[in-house]
Amino acid sequence: AQTVTQSQPEMSVQEAETVTLSCTYDTSESDYYLFWYKQPPSRQMILVIRQEAYKQQNATENRFSVNFQKAAKSFSLKISDSQLGDAAMYFCAYYNQGGKLIFGQGTELSVKP
Amino acid sequence: DVKVTQSSRYLVKRTGEKVFLECVQDMDHENMFWYRQDPGLGLRLIYFSYDVKMKEKGDIPEGYSVSREKKERFSLILESASTNQTSMYLCASRDSSYYNEQFFGPGTRLTVL
Repeated sequence: AQTVTQSQPEMSVQEAETVTLSCTYDTSESDYYLFWYKQPPSRQMILVIRQEAYKQQNATENRFSVNFQKAAKSFSLKISDSQLGDAAMYFCAYYNQGGKLIFGQGTELSVKP
Repeated sequence: DVKVTQSSRYLVKRTGEKVFLECVQDMDHENMFWYRQDPGLGLRLIYFSYDVKMKEKGDIPEGYSVSREKKERFSLILESASTNQTSMYLCASRDSSYYNEQFFGPGTRLTVL
């Protein structure tokens, strides 16, 4: 069975600075998808970024980018130029071939003005 | 714009009560999911449905059942609520492409006294 681990329960970043959230996963599958979801306080969970395992190029969405290391089974999220609105719980998730999303424990990010 | 709605944001019930949590999506998605979110545990899949009247157990189905009589509606039922079912419950939906994102509802925070 696949597992997803986020080893940082809490992180903090200064506004306008860069922060990296870590995620590792365990799987024997060769083809899969990885996601980062954001859950703002009292608001709905939304997709931040998606990475296909067969693509070597790291996904990027504006200020959000990933560092995907397939051999190391690592999938970190980098947030550049952090903004107050980035404060949220961030979840790393793995999509297995059975169509299920497997989530990590979450990292709570705070942004200091 | 995909919209997933849940019947209540906050719910307080007594031990032993039967509890219904309703979820409705407006994007004609085939797949619908119920998760439970607990601090330090991330999101755990309770049940999912890939078609009307079809359901499959997730990772933690014990104490729960589901119903999907119409494509847009997916209900989670706690037959006899217990205090250890106090949690945040999230509903999600997705179209038939398994690698596509799941769209989440706002969540129901259930407290069982």
